[in-house]
Amino acid sequence: QVQLQESGPGLVKPSETLSLTCSVSDDSIKTTYYWGWIRQAPGKGLEWIGHIIYSGTTYYNPSLKSRVTISIETSKNQFSLKMTSVAAADMAVYYCARVRGSGNIRWFDPWGQGILVTVSS
Amino acid sequence: QSVLTQPPSVSGAPGQRVTISCTGSSSNIGAGNDVNWYQQLPGAAPKLLIYGNNIRPSGVPDRFSGSKSATSGSLAISGLQPEDEADYFCQSYDNSLSGPTFGGGTKLTVL
Repeated sequence: QVQLQESGPGLVKPSETLSLTCSVSDDSIKTTYYWGWIRQAPGKGLEWIGHIIYSGTTYYNPSLKSRVTISIETSKNQFSLKMTSVAAADMAVYYCARVRGSGNIRWFDPWGQGILVTVSS
Repeated sequence: QSVLTQPPSVSGAPGQRVTISCTGSSSNIGAGNDVNWYQQLPGAAPKLLIYGNNIRPSGVPDRFSGSKSATSGSLAISGLQPEDEADYFCQSYDNSLSGPTFGGGTKLTVL
């Protein structure tokens, strides 16, 4: 059963860059699955950030695309998220997840436990 | 504002049946894209409950069922149990967004 675990700083200063890593265990990241990031602001709903496949093909939420980069490191079985110029609105629990399905049929399973990122000086 | 609309809350007594709606539009559910459902227990990550409109992953009780029609999806929970108290999110693919999109979530209270 594949497991995902987020890691990275829990505190980021406004205008700086948020960097998170998702470690995948019990399965290879070099498969036909995509691997994605989703966030949840405190008390709010879920927001898809983007996803990537081992070949490096990425898809991003248009509202975040200008600030977000998702990359993959197959040798470490990890993928990462970088978000530039963070603001208070970016404070959220960030989840990584495996993306299943294909084309317009996509769902997320399983999810990592999530990591809370606070934006504050 | 979420692209998919869910009621903020629903409630029911143990043993009862409740339904949670997920209303979309012609750019997502109405375009033929599937509806998926997630359960988020307090303090936990979301967990896949239903995918492909009505398919339960292994281990999900058959008390949970999903359906889809026109531009909306629906999650039904029968035989409510106290441990079902959680937030439930629907998700589909939005052709305008060119990506997955979620509902705002529904808090289920078991009275």
